[in-house]
Amino acid sequence: AQSVSQHNHHVILSEAASLELGCNYSYGGTVNLFWYVQYPGQHLQLLLKYFSGDPLVKGIKGFEAEFIKSKFSFNLRKPSVQWSDTAEYFCAVIAPSGGYQKVTFGTGTKLQVIP
Amino acid sequence: EAGVAQSPRYKIIEKRQSVAFWCNPISGHATLYWYQQILGQGPKLLIQFQNNGVVDDSQLPKDRFSAERLKGVDSTLKIQPAKLEDSAVYLCASSWGLETQYFGPGTRLLVL
Repeated sequence: AQSVSQHNHHVILSEAASLELGCNYSYGGTVNLFWYVQYPGQHLQLLLKYFSGDPLVKGIKGFEAEFIKSKFSFNLRKPSVQWSDTAEYFCAVIAPSGGYQKVTFGTGTKLQVIP
Repeated sequence: EAGVAQSPRYKIIEKRQSVAFWCNPISGHATLYWYQQILGQGPKLLIQFQNNGVVDDSQLPKDRFSAERLKGVDSTLKIQPAKLEDSAVYLCASSWGLETQYFGPGTRLLVL
């Protein structure tokens, strides 16, 4: 069965520190990859996505992610975090399964940025 | 552009009661999703509609959960009867095909 793993459940960083959140998926074929973010009190919203092409994708607010097919990974990065990046981050995969495109979310990573 | 609307925002019921949630997606979005998000976990897909047809309901507990999307627009999700473990946030999302999903505010359900 398709699965998405986010190994970091809770990350605490000081402002200006660099961030990398891990995301690994189990499906070996063509995938569409997403990172969504949920700021406190707000809806889930898209941070960035990868469908094809350049494996390094850039999203909003200075975030980027790199798709490494050989490692089945789509890690999220930001060189310097801000207090306003405090949120919960979810990796999601859409991949073929049984004749349709199946959506699977990871368990999420809570990021707390300390001023 | 109006976002995804959901109601109610909060609901408290006793176990074995029934409850229904409503979702109105973004106009023109053919794909509609219902997710269950239990505290500390990621969203779990319950059912996915393409227009008014079901694409994926493999994780929907069909003995107690049902969903419909009449006319391919708004949708309702029902739980009957509710169990304690159904306490969660129920999220509705819509998208144009397999593109970005736009999420509603969710309905927070507490089953006592």
